[in-house]
This record gives sequence, structure tokens and C-alpha cells, in this order.
Amino acid sequence: DAKTTQPNSMESNEEEPVHLPCNHSTISGTDYIHWYRQLPSQGPEYVIHGLTSNVNNRMASLAIAEDRKSSTLILHRATLRDAAVYYCILRPLPSSEETSGSRLTFGEGTQLTVNP
Amino acid sequence: DADVTQTPRNRITKTGKRIMLECSQTKGHDRMYWYRQDPGLGLRLIYYSFDVKDINKGEISDGYSVSRQAQAKFSLSLESAIPNQTALYFCATSDFRLAGGYVTQYFGPGTRLTVL
Repeated sequence: DAKTTQPNSMESNEEEPVHLPCNHSTISGTDYIHWYRQLPSQGPEYVIHGLTSNVNNRMASLAIAEDRKSSTLILHRATLRDAAVYYCILRPLPSSEETSGSRLTFGEGTQLTVNP
Repeated sequence: DADVTQTPRNRITKTGKRIMLECSQTKGHDRMYWYRQDPGLGLRLIYYSFDVKDINKGEISDGYSVSRQAQAKFSLSLESAIPNQTALYFCATSDFRLAGGYVTQYFGPGTRLTVL
């Protein structure tokens, strides 16, 4: 799997936007960019994913660079409940012969602290 | 009720003991996974299963075994626990999709295992 690089930690204030960066300079053309987060004492949860175009959902937005070598997860208004470790993960498009089980390779992620 | 449940949530055991961690899901997914999480190492895949008859080793399967008793149940066993198996263990499920190009994984709440 292609490697991703994220800052170890970031800090934000409540109700302010947060931009979490991820570098993936070795991304291949078929790799999707996934973001998961892990709240304290919980398992990881899916946040958002994308391929080339920017994506929005109820949790966040994903901005993907034109060359796809980096992406940014955007939380528009951080809340205290958004304090978590955020993981940026690359996954290729699953195929019917895929034997990897669609497993996710988690790095160390970015620890986001939200200050009240 | 949670879609992915794990039992027990916490377990302390001694070196050499046999331990079983259980995972159940109500999402109707075919694929199930076991990960362990250690500080500084992220999540690492132990075993995964495409269906009841298909079990595959992950990146760190030594010292572990699994059983897929039914579509909804996937158990992880430590035949003879050792202290470096002290970790947080997560079960996950996913639904195989080609459309949309993503495979979201849903994680359980985790089991904290301590081997003395």
C-alpha cells in the first residue's frame, strides 16, 4: 500500500475550522483516499473518502490536490467531540479477485485536540 | 444496540493461559477482521475472513488463531498468551462493494487485553 504522512498532532479551538493535512506522494491512479477517526476508548469510524474530486458529507469535507499527492480533511466547525486521532488511508479500488480482504492499513494518524 | 459487539471489553490474564475474544455483528456483512492496536504502531491486521469458509492471515498472525462460527461471529484465540500480546484488540466488518470504489469498515468498541 502507498504510504501516507500526517502530522503527529494538531490543535484547534472549538467552533473554528480545522484543516488536517495528509501527504501521499506515491499514490497510484486507482488509490482512493479514505479518512477514519478514532475517538477516545472507541474503535475507528469512517469519516469520508474520495478519488479526485472534493467531497462533502455531514461529518466533513475532503479537499484533494489536483496532482492527488496530498489531501486535506476539513472539519468546518470543530466541537469537543471531534477530539480524536484522524487517519488518512489509501486503498485501491477493490476487484473481484482481490485477496487482500480490503484491509485498511492504519498509520499513526494525527491527534486532534480541541480547546474549549 | 451496537452493530459490532466484542466480549469481553477488558481482560487480565496470565502468561500461558488460553484466551478467546469474541466478536458478533448484526450488519449482515460477509467480511470480518481482527486488528490489534499498540501505542506508536497504529492498527495491525491479525486475521480476516471473507466468509465462513474463508480465513486468511494478516500481517501479524503468529500466536493467534481464529474461528468463523457463523456469518455473524468471528472469534480470536490466543492459545498460550504472552506479555507482548498485551494490546487493544478490535474486530471490524465490511460489506464488499465495487460501486463507489470503497469498502467502509465498521469497528467494534475494542477489547483491552493485559497479559501478566
